[in-house]
Amino acid sequence: AQKITQTQPGMFVQEKEAVTLDCTYDTSDPSYGLFWYKQPSSGEMIFLIYQGSYDQQNATEGRYSLNFQKARKSANLVISASQLGDSAMYFCAMREGITDKLIFGTGTRLQVFP
Amino acid sequence: EPEVTQTPSHQVTQMGQEVILRCVPISNHLYFYWYRQILGQKVEFLVSFYNNEISEKSEIFDDQFSVERPDGSNFTLKIRSTKLEDSAMYFCASSGPGVAGRSGANVLTFGAGSRLTVL
Repeated sequence: AQKITQTQPGMFVQEKEAVTLDCTYDTSDPSYGLFWYKQPSSGEMIFLIYQGSYDQQNATEGRYSLNFQKARKSANLVISASQLGDSAMYFCAMREGITDKLIFGTGTRLQVFP
Repeated sequence: EPEVTQTPSHQVTQMGQEVILRCVPISNHLYFYWYRQILGQKVEFLVSFYNNEISEKSEIFDDQFSVERPDGSNFTLKIRSTKLEDSAMYFCASSGPGVAGRSGANVLTFGAGSRLTVL
């Protein structure tokens, strides 16, 4: 079974609108962390936001927020007020327990149009 | 803002040749990683390194791969005898305890990547 599932290969959104990028995860470890990274066309991986499994509140970082629904095992990224510069690939990733490694999803390509 | 730097940005090599990819992690970080991304596919974990030894590695990281921290600043990935399927973007990353985001997040900061093309 896939540990991280991103079901949207591509998404379109109009500038200034909000968009939600889906991510579901699968783990039996009670301690885990969920991450979102942005990969623009230049290729680098840019950290956006983090949610810990024990965090009581949904994470927010500026225009980014994470809609964390633990019972559904989902960690959707919400980008408010989209900008043209938000056009990129977005990866959801998970770290389980004390392991070092991040497990990435297949990504969602977001395109913001004027 | 501190960053992870990687060299070269792009390397083309012949199959069977040795390749060394170099990384300078953020100076106060303690954990170092290599990931790879085959074109159009997801990012895959290769290896993590802490306290001068490998702490975890994936099944991809076989005997032809090795990592080294030869001095206090560099972290290298060596591929001894490259294969066509090693063509990918290789990302170095580093982290320190509770670096950013929530405490305990141990957020990885990635470099811009080294694109390896094996002919």
